[in-house]
Amino acid sequence: QSALTQPASVSGSPGQSITISCTGTSSDIGAYDYVSWYQQHPAKAPKLIIFDVSDRPSGVSNRFSGSKSGNTASLAISGLQPEDEADYYCSSYKASNTVLFGGGTRLTVL
Amino acid sequence: QVQLVQSGAEVKKPGASVKVSCKTSGYKFTSYYVHWVRQAPGLGLEWMGVINPSTGDTTYSETFQDRVTMTRDTSTGTVYMEVSSLRSDDTATYYCARSLVITPQDYWGQGTLVSVSS
Repeated sequence: QSALTQPASVSGSPGQSITISCTGTSSDIGAYDYVSWYQQHPAKAPKLIIFDVSDRPSGVSNRFSGSKSGNTASLAISGLQPEDEADYYCSSYKASNTVLFGGGTRLTVL
Repeated sequence: QVQLVQSGAEVKKPGASVKVSCKTSGYKFTSYYVHWVRQAPGLGLEWMGVINPSTGDTTYSETFQDRVTMTRDTSTGTVYMEVSSLRSDDTATYYCARSLVITPQDYWGQGTLVSVSS
């Protein structure tokens, strides 16, 4: 099963906004509104920050937002803060109770 | 509070098997799926499969379906994941995570490092 495609790295300065893309196919991202995003700091477990394309769990900053167009989902982070520096992974439901993850994107806050 | 607590690190030889546990608490065990996700050193997340603790039904990734077995013990709220015929490239941190429906995974275990080396 091929992973979803994400850029390997993105960067931004404090206060700026960035966007991370996640490209799949018509069998996963394009077929379902079940895209999630996870933030992972070094040596920590992933943390859910966006689910069902654009919903935020309780306690997650509204600086994080998600969207989807066709086979591509996006995570936007506004007002970058130093603690946002982490790896970000997208995930999508695929048919028959299976899940796909993206390859991950390292965000550097300059 | 919701907790998923995994068993400790393991060191195995190639060809051996490893069984990792994930003990849950703070919620109704049979109401949430439990997934296993692995992460090789320096690499990304890889979904391995999911178990429905209520029925014991499992779905495995094509990548792992020949070598992975997921089981559960409803009396203790624990899920197990066994990988057989270990290879050096199975060296990774293995995470369990729960979900109400198949996705998203909202709570994760702390991870279990499995090292495979001769």
